[in-house]
Amino acid sequence: DQQVKQNSPSLSVQEGRISILNCDYTNSMFDYFLWYKKYPAEGPTFLISISSIKDKNEDGRFTVFLNKSAKHLSLHIVPSQPGDSAVYFCAASANTGNQFYFGTGTSLTVIP
Amino acid sequence: GAVVSQHPSRVICKSGTSVKIECRSLDFQATTMFWYRQFPKQSLMLMATSNEGSKATYEQGVEKDKFLINHASLTLSTLTVTSAHPEDSSFYICSARGYRGEAKNIQYFGAGTRLSVL
Repeated sequence: DQQVKQNSPSLSVQEGRISILNCDYTNSMFDYFLWYKKYPAEGPTFLISISSIKDKNEDGRFTVFLNKSAKHLSLHIVPSQPGDSAVYFCAASANTGNQFYFGTGTSLTVIP
Repeated sequence: GAVVSQHPSRVICKSGTSVKIECRSLDFQATTMFWYRQFPKQSLMLMATSNEGSKATYEQGVEKDKFLINHASLTLSTLTVTSAHPEDSSFYICSARGYRGEAKNIQYFGAGTRLSVL
C-alpha cells in the first residue's frame, strides 16, 4: 500500500524555467515531509523539509508547498538548472523523524 | 549537512557467501539507523530500523535471519546479507537519524551499496 505517491515518473523542463514536482499522500497522521534528490548509484541527498504547521518553506531556489486539506505537497525549483537533473523523492513521516515513507520518485531533466 | 558514510560502494560475490555493509555517521551521533533496498525504477523500501544497543525492527516480509543488522554504537550500523543469492542483488542504502536539533527530524543517507550476487 503506497502511502506516498508521485504520479509523474518523469518531467522535462527548459533551463531557466520553473520545475514543479508533485507528491500526494494518504495518511492524515503524516506531519513532516521532506524532499530528497538522488543521482544514479548514489544515496539520496536531503533538499528541503516542511512540517505540517507550515504551508510553505523556502530555501534558495527550492520552495516546498504543503496543502494539508488536499494531502498534497509540491516542490518548486526556480530557475531550473541542468545540474538539477536527478530523481526527486518526497517522503513523509508521522511523529517527526521516525519511519519515512517514500514516493516512487520523479526523474527531472533540465534541458540546457 | 550531516555526513553518512557507507562502505563498500559496490560488491560482487558468489552465491552462498555473506556480505557485510557498514554505515557510519561521521559528524553526529545517530540514535536510529535505517536500511533500505531499492529495486530499479522503484522507491526506497524500508527493510529495518535499528536503534543503538537494541535489536533491529524488521519490516514485514524481510527475513531477519538473512539480513542481520547490528547497531553496536551511536555511529555504526552494519547489515550482513547472509548466504546471498542472485535475487538479493540490489542497491542497499542506509540512513541515519540525527541525535538532536534539526538533525533529529531528518534522515541523512549514505551513498549506497550495489550488491551483485553471481
